[in-house]
Amino acid sequence: ETGVTQTPRHLVMGMTNKKSLKCEQHLGHNAMYWYKQSAKKPLELMFVYNFKEQTENNSVPSRFSPECPNSSHLFLHLHTLQPEDSALYLCASSQGRQVEAFFGQGTRLTVV
Amino acid sequence: GNSVTQMEGPVTLSEEAFLTINCTYTATGYPSLFWYVQYPGEGLQLLLKATKADDKGSNKGFEATYRKETTSFHLEKGSVQVSDSAVYFCALRITQGGSEKLVFGKGTKLTVNP
Repeated sequence: ETGVTQTPRHLVMGMTNKKSLKCEQHLGHNAMYWYKQSAKKPLELMFVYNFKEQTENNSVPSRFSPECPNSSHLFLHLHTLQPEDSALYLCASSQGRQVEAFFGQGTRLTVV
Repeated sequence: GNSVTQMEGPVTLSEEAFLTINCTYTATGYPSLFWYVQYPGEGLQLLLKATKADDKGSNKGFEATYRKETTSFHLEKGSVQVSDSAVYFCALRITQGGSEKLVFGKGTKLTVNP
């Protein structure tokens, strides 16, 4: 248990669906991240939020839309996804310059 | 740019064997270095870290030393157990443009057989 909770753990969605992934941390961290983990690829940083402000978007397609309403919660809104978007989506948080990040268990997303 | 290169897997060992997983990095500035472990069906967990040159990180029998001269952070364990079977990720953390970046290697899958 790392203190970062992701829901749901598993999600199957059609290409025309709209769904959201949720991440929650009560560690008092002020930075939150979304990563994508695909088979046989390095972990890809998608978005970074510091103090609720988005500070990084790594050329992520607009069908992925993040939202950070407060420092404890992070969402990833999904719409019109493609099968190649199937992956494990990991959320992480850190306390600013504190060196390590804490990861959630991930949401296994399958797009059909 | 900033990148991490770690040895390709998979690595298969017998219980009590010696483990080395190589990791080298390129970075602008002075990164902190990490090893994360991912057990099946789980997220990533921090295994150990080192924040400056010559630091040695250690945890659960695993060790890695921050070698600036060779830009390396190799993971070692003297005697692996079946429970060590997992995917191991080397990573660096650097501040760039006011943002904290954590850059990962591709991961090395370790299987330990009884």
